[in-house]
Amino acid sequence: AQKVTQAQTEISVVEKEDVTLDCVYETRDTTYYLFWYKQPPSGELVFLIRRNSFDEQNEISGRYSWNFQKSTSSFNFTITASQVVDSAVYFCALSEASVGDDKIIFGKGTRLHILP
Amino acid sequence: DSGVTQTPKHLITATGQRVTLRCSPRSGDLSVYWYQQSLDQGLQFLIQYYNGEERAKGNILERFSAQQFPDLHSELNLSSLELGDSALYFCASSASDYTDTQYFGPGTRLTVL
Repeated sequence: AQKVTQAQTEISVVEKEDVTLDCVYETRDTTYYLFWYKQPPSGELVFLIRRNSFDEQNEISGRYSWNFQKSTSSFNFTITASQVVDSAVYFCALSEASVGDDKIIFGKGTRLHILP
Repeated sequence: DSGVTQTPKHLITATGQRVTLRCSPRSGDLSVYWYQQSLDQGLQFLIQYYNGEERAKGNILERFSAQQFPDLHSELNLSSLELGDSALYFCASSASDYTDTQYFGPGTRLTVL
């Protein structure tokens, strides 16, 4: 069955520190997609990244980087030199073909507090 | 701005009432999804439409229904509202199916008093 686990419910770090948000997923499919979304205090869900199961290359986008490891079923997200504006809830999510629909399964989210 | 629009942004109503939430997908997107976000349940998938046809149902109550119109906008109807229906309702759209990124609208915050 599909499952996404974000074990860290809440994290607080001081501004400029690096922080890693963990995501572990479960799927029986060989073809699937992983996502990260950000939900700032304003409430909207902002798409950050999509990764398909055949592409294990790590990705860097500015201060954001993602580490995808199929061997451990993990798709971790690191923010380097964190800023107060990074404070938000971050969701990891999974979609796959075999369940007969195209829904995304979300983790419970990690609430990140960046302290000035 | 994701390109997905939702109206209204906020809705306050009483128990037993019926409301309609509206969503316009990104230009060219054929799939529309509805999700409910509540404190205790997190983000839960409700229903998906693809090019006017219902494609999948998730944890959607029988009191709730949805449709997608020929112009691809979608409406989520919630009836016989209960206090527990208070939540943030998101619409998302994607080009086609699970291989495509889902972009989310700003959400409609429903408060049932």
